[in-house]
Amino acid sequence: RKEVEQDPGPFNVPEGATVAFNCTYSNSASQSFFWYRQDCRKEPKLLMSVYSSGNEDGRFTAQLNRASQYISLLIRDSKLSDSATYLCVVMGTYKYIFGTGTRLKVLA
Amino acid sequence: EAGVTQSPTHLIKTRGQQATLRCSPISGHTSVYWYQQALGLGLQFLLWYDEGEERNRGNFPPRFSGRQFPNYSSELNVNALELEDSALYLCASSSSTSTVSEQFFGPGTRLTVL
Repeated sequence: RKEVEQDPGPFNVPEGATVAFNCTYSNSASQSFFWYRQDCRKEPKLLMSVYSSGNEDGRFTAQLNRASQYISLLIRDSKLSDSATYLCVVMGTYKYIFGTGTRLKVLA
Repeated sequence: EAGVTQSPTHLIKTRGQQATLRCSPISGHTSVYWYQQALGLGLQFLLWYDEGEERNRGNFPPRFSGRQFPNYSSELNVNALELEDSALYLCASSSSTSTVSEQFFGPGTRLTVL
């Protein structure tokens, strides 16, 4: 079993739609969790850290479920500019593990 | 505030040669990480340096090595280059004082091995 798993997609959604991604992790001792966004042939950029209580940043909401060992990202009112690959990242002791990413395409 | 910088942007080498990639972290960050991203694939963890020490390395052969300097900048060396080493090499840095230790990435060095 992979340490961090994501549905690769692609998720093709119309503008204005709400879309959600999940990411599961295998190590229950994982300490910190993040969502990054990566555009084609560019470096990953931090989208948001994921806190135990859940957190929201504008149209983006992240949740952590430690009991079921998954994190989620919800994007509301999708924009064309949200098209990218979304990477889930799990941090353990001296180790960051990246998921392979979920591709999102927002269609006009 | 300047972000993570990497040099060179592009590097072309031939099989068997050696490559040196450089990274300067965000000012105040003491941890530096190296990743390899082959075309169409996910990020593969290479090395983690903190305060000049190697803290962890990924599942890569010993010809991948590096170091961190007293100013926290870092070098990644790849010896005896192979065709499959062609990839985007990303460097990231984080602050040891951050409670959640987010990583911030540089723009990468695109290595092509011919």
